[in-house]
Amino acid sequence: EVQLVESGGGLVQPGGSLRLSCAASGFTFSDHYMDWVRQAPGKGLEWVGRIRRKANGYTTEYAASVKGRFTVSRDDSNNSLHLQMNSLKIEDTAVYYCARGDSSGGSWYSGAYWGQGTLVTVSS
Amino acid sequence: DIQMTQSPSSLSASVGDRITITCRASQGIGNYLAWFQQRPGKAPKSLIYGASSLQSGVPSKFSGSGSGTDFTLTINNLQPEDFATYYCQHYKSYPLTFGGGTKVEIK
Repeated sequence: EVQLVESGGGLVQPGGSLRLSCAASGFTFSDHYMDWVRQAPGKGLEWVGRIRRKANGYTTEYAASVKGRFTVSRDDSNNSLHLQMNSLKIEDTAVYYCARGDSSGGSWYSGAYWGQGTLVTVSS
Repeated sequence: DIQMTQSPSSLSASVGDRITITCRASQGIGNYLAWFQQRPGKAPKSLIYGASSLQSGVPSKFSGSGSGTDFTLTINNLQPEDFATYYCQHYKSYPLTFGGGTKVEIK
């Protein structure tokens, strides 16, 4: 059974940092791209960032709203995904989901499987 | 960036109804489109990828169609568990973007 379990959320002050983790199991983690998606309270879904697999150089992509502040990384030896969030802003308050990427038609879509999410609250 | 526009933003329907949700891309995305369902307080669930391919385990009452800029999600025989919010997402290029969502409510 595929499982994705996020952790690391909590309350942080504006300008602060937080590191989220996502523990993966039930599939060959190293074969897949991995995404972070967030959802502000009462709002829609926003894609945050992606990390490709080793075969694609572990390269990353980011939404403009987080580029330069957030870093996606992965540890294939421990089947884990991470999101380092720096210079946090009030508008970064959201539930953060990790999602598995899957290949289709030569591209990779996100969200075949999702974690349950972890809440990040940025407030003074 | 490619913008995704969903319509309607909300709709009311009855159990047993057939409904259609539309998603329009600001530029052509081929068939690089996915649909998700999100029930209140829960994580999104994948329904459709490649515009029309059903995700494993998703009932055939859900179907997707379209290519280029215009896409639809159709749900047949609406049941209580189908009342949720539905999102489209393109994966043609970066950044990946979601539509604003369509909330399906019980009439």
